[in-house]
Amino acid sequence: GQQLNQSPQSMFIQEGEDVSMNCTSSSIFNTWLWYKQDPGEGPVLLIALYKAGELTSNGRLTAQFGITRKDSFLNISASIPSDVGIYFCAGSSNTGNQFYFGTGTSLTVIP
Amino acid sequence: GAVVSQHPSRVICKSGTSVKIECRSLDFQATTMFWYRQFPKQSLMLMATSNEGSKATYEQGVEKDKFLINHASLTLSTLTVTSAHPEDSSFYICSARVYEKLFFGSGTQLSVL
Repeated sequence: GQQLNQSPQSMFIQEGEDVSMNCTSSSIFNTWLWYKQDPGEGPVLLIALYKAGELTSNGRLTAQFGITRKDSFLNISASIPSDVGIYFCAGSSNTGNQFYFGTGTSLTVIP
Repeated sequence: GAVVSQHPSRVICKSGTSVKIECRSLDFQATTMFWYRQFPKQSLMLMATSNEGSKATYEQGVEKDKFLINHASLTLSTLTVTSAHPEDSSFYICSARVYEKLFFGSGTQLSVL
C-alpha cells in the first residue's frame, strides 16, 4: 500500500524548543490524522483534520491540513521530556476505509 | 475517544504453536477493524481489513492461511497466527474506524522461540 513521506525521520532537541514535522502524499486526502506512539504501545490520536487549510490545536500541539490536500504539518511548542516518542501522520481519501501511514518521526527531548 | 481493547499485550510461544489475539471495541460497534504489523522503529504495515460477518480482506503478500481473522460480532475481531515461527515475531496492533478517526488497541508483542 501507499506510504506517506514523513520528515524529518528523527529529531534530537533541547527541552523547551519547538518542533516541526511534515507529511506529504502523492494523492489528495480528505482526512489527516496525527498520532504519537510510545514504545510497546499502540498509537494514540493527537489531532484530526478534515478541511484544506484547517489549523487545529491540542494543547502545545498544532497541526495543519495543507491547502493542496497532499500534505500536513505538526508543530509542538515548548517541548518537554514526555513528548519523547514516535509521531505518525495518517491520511485517508473518500475512496475506501483505509488510512495510509507516514514513515514516522522519532523525537528525543534532551532535558 | 473510542476505546479499543487488545489482548494479550505480550505472548511468548514455541515454534509451531498457534496464538490468538483479541481486539474489542468497548464503547462502540465496529463493522470494520484493521490489523497491522509493526517492526522495531518502522511504520505500521496493514495486514488485513476485518469485516463483521464476512471474510477479511488481506493485503498483498499476507498469507491468509497463516493469519486467520475472524470478526464474528460488532465488538470483537480476532487474529490467529497459525503454526507460528520465529519470523512471525513482531508487534501486532488492531484498530477500528469511527467516522473519520482511527483508534488503536495497545498492541501485542509476539515472540516465537
